[in-house]
Amino acid sequence: DAKTTQPNSMESNEEEPVHLPCNHSTISGTDYIHWYRQLPSQGPEYVIHGLTSNVNNRMASLAIAEDRKSSTLILHRATLRDAAVYYCILSKLTFGKGITLSVRP
Amino acid sequence: SQTIHQWPATLVQPVGSPLSLECTVEGTSNPNLYWYRQAAGRGLQLLFYSVGIGQISSEVPQNLSASRPQDRQFILSSKKLLLSDSGFYLCAWTGGFDSPLHFGNGTRLTVT
Repeated sequence: DAKTTQPNSMESNEEEPVHLPCNHSTISGTDYIHWYRQLPSQGPEYVIHGLTSNVNNRMASLAIAEDRKSSTLILHRATLRDAAVYYCILSKLTFGKGITLSVRP
Repeated sequence: SQTIHQWPATLVQPVGSPLSLECTVEGTSNPNLYWYRQAAGRGLQLLFYSVGIGQISSEVPQNLSASRPQDRQFILSSKKLLLSDSGFYLCAWTGGFDSPLHFGNGTRLTVT
């Protein structure tokens, strides 16, 4: 199965944009890129997903590299409630450890 | 709208005791169903998934089993719990392999 690689952690300031990177160099042509986030003691929550084109929704934007070997989740204005573990996964639904986002007030 | 129910929320069981965790989905038919486990401070490990009644795929050989007796019911079981079975168990569903996952609130299992 294709895997994803994410940094362990990232810090951001409140109300500033956040760019969370994800590498997936072995992605296949049919794999969708999904992002989820998880708050402590809760199940993960769907954030966004895409195949080739950049995607926007009310929560975030997903920028997908032209070769699809990497992607970036963009939170346009971080809030304290965005502090969570963010997972980037491919269609085989294998979760790694994710990236822990901390937001400073 | 679709909802997923998972219970109990927390469970403390002695080593060697049996386990049964239940998950049900409402508002959709023929969902793909999943059981994940998350150890403390770790990512999610896919344990089982099911694409239909009686169809179970196991991702990791272990002390657990899963069953799908009805279209929207998914059960995780063990005959004898081990200390290493402690963790946060999550049930999830999708409408298809490329559709988003929808998770339940999880069961915190502590084996003592």
